[in-house]
Amino acid sequence: RKEVEQDPGPFNVPEGATVAFNCTYSNSASQSFFWYRQDCRKEPKLLMSVYSSGNEDGRFTAQLNRASQYISLLIRDSKLSDSATYLCVEDNFNKFYFGSGTKLNVKP
Amino acid sequence: NAGVTQTPKFQVLKTGQSMTLQCAQDMNHEYMSWYRQDPGMGLRLIHYSVGAGITDQGEVPNGYNVSRSTTEDFPLRLLSAAPSQTSVYFCASHPGVAGQETQYFGPGTRLLVL
Repeated sequence: RKEVEQDPGPFNVPEGATVAFNCTYSNSASQSFFWYRQDCRKEPKLLMSVYSSGNEDGRFTAQLNRASQYISLLIRDSKLSDSATYLCVEDNFNKFYFGSGTKLNVKP
Repeated sequence: NAGVTQTPKFQVLKTGQSMTLQCAQDMNHEYMSWYRQDPGMGLRLIHYSVGAGITDQGEVPNGYNVSRSTTEDFPLRLLSAAPSQTSVYFCASHPGVAGQETQYFGPGTRLLVL
Protein backbone atom coordinates (compact mmCIF):
# COMPACT_ATOMS: atom_id res chain seq x y z
CA ARG A 1 0.00 0.00 0.00
CA LYS A 2 1.34 3.42 -0.92
CA GLU A 3 2.05 5.89 1.86
CA VAL A 4 0.20 8.67 0.06
CA GLU A 5 -2.78 8.17 -2.26
CA GLN A 6 -4.25 10.69 -4.68
CA ASP A 7 -6.90 10.64 -7.35
CA PRO A 8 -4.90 11.01 -10.60
CA GLY A 9 -7.70 12.91 -12.37
CA PRO A 10 -7.63 14.66 -14.70
CA PHE A 11 -9.95 17.27 -13.32
CA ASN A 12 -11.22 19.35 -16.25
CA VAL A 13 -12.79 22.60 -15.05
CA PRO A 14 -13.75 25.93 -16.64
CA GLU A 15 -12.02 29.15 -15.70
CA GLY A 16 -13.50 30.60 -12.53
CA ALA A 17 -14.55 27.26 -11.11
CA THR A 18 -13.76 26.00 -7.63
CA VAL A 19 -12.02 22.63 -7.50
CA ALA A 20 -10.89 20.45 -4.60
CA PHE A 21 -8.41 17.59 -4.37
CA ASN A 22 -8.02 15.11 -1.55
CA CYS A 23 -5.04 13.06 -0.51
CA THR A 24 -4.90 10.27 2.08
CA TYR A 25 -1.86 9.21 4.06
CA SER A 26 -1.14 6.07 6.06
CA ASN A 27 1.28 7.14 8.81
CA SER A 28 -0.64 8.70 11.68
CA ALA A 29 2.62 9.92 13.27
CA SER A 30 3.52 12.21 10.36
CA GLN A 31 3.49 15.84 11.38
CA SER A 32 3.95 17.88 8.23
CA PHE A 33 2.32 17.84 4.86
CA PHE A 34 2.75 19.81 1.69
CA TRP A 35 1.18 20.50 -1.65
CA TYR A 36 3.63 20.87 -4.55
CA ARG A 37 2.83 21.97 -8.05
CA GLN A 38 4.56 20.33 -11.01
CA ASP A 39 4.36 21.64 -14.55
CA CYS A 40 5.01 19.27 -17.44
CA ARG A 41 8.61 17.97 -17.44
CA LYS A 42 9.66 20.47 -14.76
CA GLU A 43 10.75 20.15 -11.15
CA PRO A 44 8.11 20.30 -8.39
CA LYS A 45 7.69 23.62 -6.60
CA LEU A 46 6.13 24.22 -3.21
CA LEU A 47 2.57 25.52 -3.31
CA MET A 48 1.58 25.30 0.35
CA SER A 49 2.66 23.78 3.64
CA VAL A 50 0.06 22.20 5.92
CA TYR A 51 1.37 21.97 9.47
CA SER A 52 -1.68 21.93 11.71
CA SER A 53 -5.32 22.38 10.91
CA GLY A 54 -4.60 24.06 7.59
CA ASN A 55 -3.84 27.37 5.98
CA GLU A 56 -4.93 29.76 3.25
CA ASP A 57 -2.94 31.67 0.65
CA GLY A 58 -5.01 33.77 -1.70
CA ARG A 59 -7.16 31.50 -3.84
CA PHE A 60 -5.65 28.37 -2.30
CA THR A 61 -6.74 26.69 0.93
CA ALA A 62 -5.20 23.54 2.36
CA GLN A 63 -6.71 21.59 5.23
CA LEU A 64 -5.57 18.66 7.33
CA ASN A 65 -7.89 16.14 8.92
CA ARG A 66 -5.84 13.99 11.29
CA ALA A 67 -8.75 11.86 12.43
CA SER A 68 -9.42 10.66 8.89
CA GLN A 69 -5.80 11.03 7.76
CA TYR A 70 -6.34 13.16 4.73
CA ILE A 71 -5.39 16.57 3.48
CA SER A 72 -7.22 18.64 0.91
CA LEU A 73 -6.45 21.47 -1.46
CA LEU A 74 -9.15 23.89 -2.55
CA ILE A 75 -8.58 26.23 -5.49
CA ARG A 76 -11.08 29.04 -5.95
CA ASP A 77 -11.60 31.11 -9.09
CA SER A 78 -9.43 28.79 -11.20
CA LYS A 79 -7.10 30.39 -13.74
CA LEU A 80 -5.73 28.92 -16.94
CA SER A 81 -2.30 29.16 -15.30
CA ASP A 82 -3.42 26.77 -12.54
CA SER A 83 -3.27 23.90 -15.05
CA ALA A 84 -0.62 21.56 -13.66
CA THR A 85 -0.18 18.39 -11.63
CA TYR A 86 -0.59 18.81 -7.87
CA LEU A 87 1.50 16.53 -5.67
CA CYS A 88 0.59 15.73 -2.09
CA VAL A 89 3.61 15.15 0.15
CA GLU A 90 3.91 13.60 3.61
CA ASP A 91 6.93 14.38 5.79
CA ASN A 92 7.66 11.26 7.83
CA PHE A 93 10.58 12.46 9.99
CA ASN A 94 12.44 13.96 7.03
CA LYS A 95 11.63 11.11 4.67
CA PHE A 96 9.27 12.62 2.16
CA TYR A 97 6.60 10.50 0.49
CA PHE A 98 4.94 11.82 -2.65
CA GLY A 99 1.55 10.95 -4.04
CA SER A 100 1.27 10.19 -7.74
CA GLY A 101 -0.26 13.60 -8.37
CA THR A 102 -3.62 14.98 -9.47
CA LYS A 103 -3.76 16.55 -12.90
CA LEU A 104 -5.80 19.74 -13.29
CA ASN A 105 -6.81 21.19 -16.64
CA VAL A 106 -8.44 24.62 -16.52
CA LYS A 107 -10.24 25.40 -19.77
CA PRO A 108 -11.26 28.81 -21.19
CA ASN B 1 22.68 31.98 -5.49
CA ALA B 2 22.10 29.15 -7.97
CA GLY B 3 19.95 26.98 -5.67
CA VAL B 4 20.09 23.30 -6.60
CA THR B 5 21.93 22.39 -9.78
CA GLN B 6 22.02 19.03 -11.54
CA THR B 7 24.19 17.73 -14.34
CA PRO B 8 23.80 16.38 -16.92
CA LYS B 9 20.33 17.42 -18.13
CA PHE B 10 20.06 14.41 -20.44
CA GLN B 11 21.96 11.16 -20.70
CA VAL B 12 21.70 8.01 -22.78
CA LEU B 13 23.43 4.90 -21.46
CA LYS B 14 23.80 1.34 -22.61
CA THR B 15 22.90 -1.49 -20.28
CA GLY B 16 25.79 -2.21 -17.95
CA GLN B 17 27.43 1.20 -18.21
CA SER B 18 28.09 3.23 -15.11
CA MET B 19 27.65 6.92 -14.50
CA THR B 20 27.32 9.54 -11.82
CA LEU B 21 24.56 12.11 -11.65
CA GLN B 22 25.80 15.29 -10.04
CA CYS B 23 23.86 17.45 -7.60
CA ALA B 24 25.05 20.57 -5.82
CA GLN B 25 23.39 23.23 -3.68
CA ASP B 26 24.72 26.55 -2.46
CA MET B 27 22.15 27.23 0.29
CA ASN B 28 24.08 25.45 3.05
CA HIS B 29 21.22 22.96 3.49
CA GLU B 30 21.90 19.95 5.66
CA TYR B 31 19.34 17.64 4.06
CA MET B 32 19.62 16.39 0.50
CA SER B 33 17.65 13.73 -1.33
CA TRP B 34 17.49 11.90 -4.63
CA TYR B 35 14.18 10.96 -6.24
CA ARG B 36 13.14 9.23 -9.42
CA GLN B 37 9.92 9.95 -11.26
CA ASP B 38 8.43 7.53 -13.74
CA PRO B 39 5.53 8.34 -16.11
CA GLY B 40 2.25 8.80 -14.28
CA MET B 41 3.87 8.36 -10.90
CA GLY B 42 4.94 10.61 -8.11
CA LEU B 43 8.48 10.99 -6.92
CA ARG B 44 10.03 8.02 -5.14
CA LEU B 45 12.86 8.51 -2.70
CA ILE B 46 16.08 6.71 -3.64
CA HIS B 47 18.59 7.86 -1.00
CA TYR B 48 18.84 10.80 1.32
CA SER B 49 21.37 12.49 3.56
CA VAL B 50 20.90 14.45 6.77
CA GLY B 51 24.39 15.94 6.69
CA ALA B 52 27.92 15.48 5.43
CA GLY B 53 29.09 11.92 5.99
CA ILE B 54 25.57 10.56 6.67
CA THR B 55 23.39 8.80 4.11
CA ASP B 56 20.44 6.44 4.29
CA GLN B 57 18.21 4.46 1.99
CA GLY B 58 14.83 5.56 0.75
CA GLU B 59 12.02 3.59 -0.89
CA VAL B 60 13.89 2.38 -4.00
CA PRO B 61 17.65 2.25 -3.26
CA ASN B 62 18.63 -0.87 -5.21
CA GLY B 63 21.06 -0.21 -8.05
CA TYR B 64 22.14 3.19 -6.72
CA ASN B 65 24.92 4.40 -4.45
CA VAL B 66 25.42 7.80 -2.85
CA SER B 67 28.01 9.60 -0.78
CA ARG B 68 28.05 12.97 0.98
CA SER B 69 31.59 14.16 1.53
CA THR B 70 30.63 17.85 1.63
CA THR B 71 27.49 19.79 2.55
CA GLU B 72 27.22 21.09 -1.01
CA ASP B 73 27.45 17.92 -3.10
CA PHE B 74 25.40 14.74 -3.21
CA PRO B 75 26.25 12.59 -6.26
CA LEU B 76 24.17 9.57 -7.27
CA ARG B 77 26.01 6.63 -8.85
CA LEU B 78 24.60 3.96 -11.11
CA LEU B 79 27.15 1.15 -11.06
CA SER B 80 25.61 -0.98 -13.82
CA ALA B 81 22.73 0.71 -15.59
CA ALA B 82 19.59 -1.27 -16.41
CA PRO B 83 16.62 -0.32 -18.63
CA SER B 84 14.45 -0.22 -15.48
CA GLN B 85 16.49 2.80 -14.39
CA THR B 86 15.20 4.85 -17.30
CA SER B 87 13.56 7.75 -15.50
CA VAL B 88 13.74 11.40 -14.57
CA TYR B 89 15.94 11.99 -11.54
CA PHE B 90 15.45 14.94 -9.21
CA CYS B 91 17.76 16.10 -6.48
CA ALA B 92 16.38 18.20 -3.62
CA SER B 93 17.62 19.95 -0.52
CA HIS B 94 16.13 21.56 2.56
CA PRO B 95 17.53 23.24 5.67
CA GLY B 96 16.64 20.50 8.14
CA VAL B 97 15.22 23.02 10.57
CA ALA B 98 11.83 22.46 12.19
CA GLY B 99 9.27 24.58 10.38
CA GLN B 100 11.51 24.88 7.31
CA GLU B 101 10.96 21.56 5.61
CA THR B 102 10.30 23.08 2.19
CA GLN B 103 12.32 21.20 -0.37
CA TYR B 104 14.09 22.93 -3.22
CA PHE B 105 14.46 20.84 -6.34
CA GLY B 106 16.99 20.82 -9.12
CA PRO B 107 15.79 20.87 -12.74
CA GLY B 108 16.17 17.10 -13.14
CA THR B 109 18.25 14.68 -15.18
CA ARG B 110 16.50 12.66 -17.89
CA LEU B 111 18.14 9.25 -18.21
CA LEU B 112 17.50 6.69 -20.94
CA VAL B 113 19.06 3.24 -20.59
CA LEU B 114 19.05 1.16 -23.75
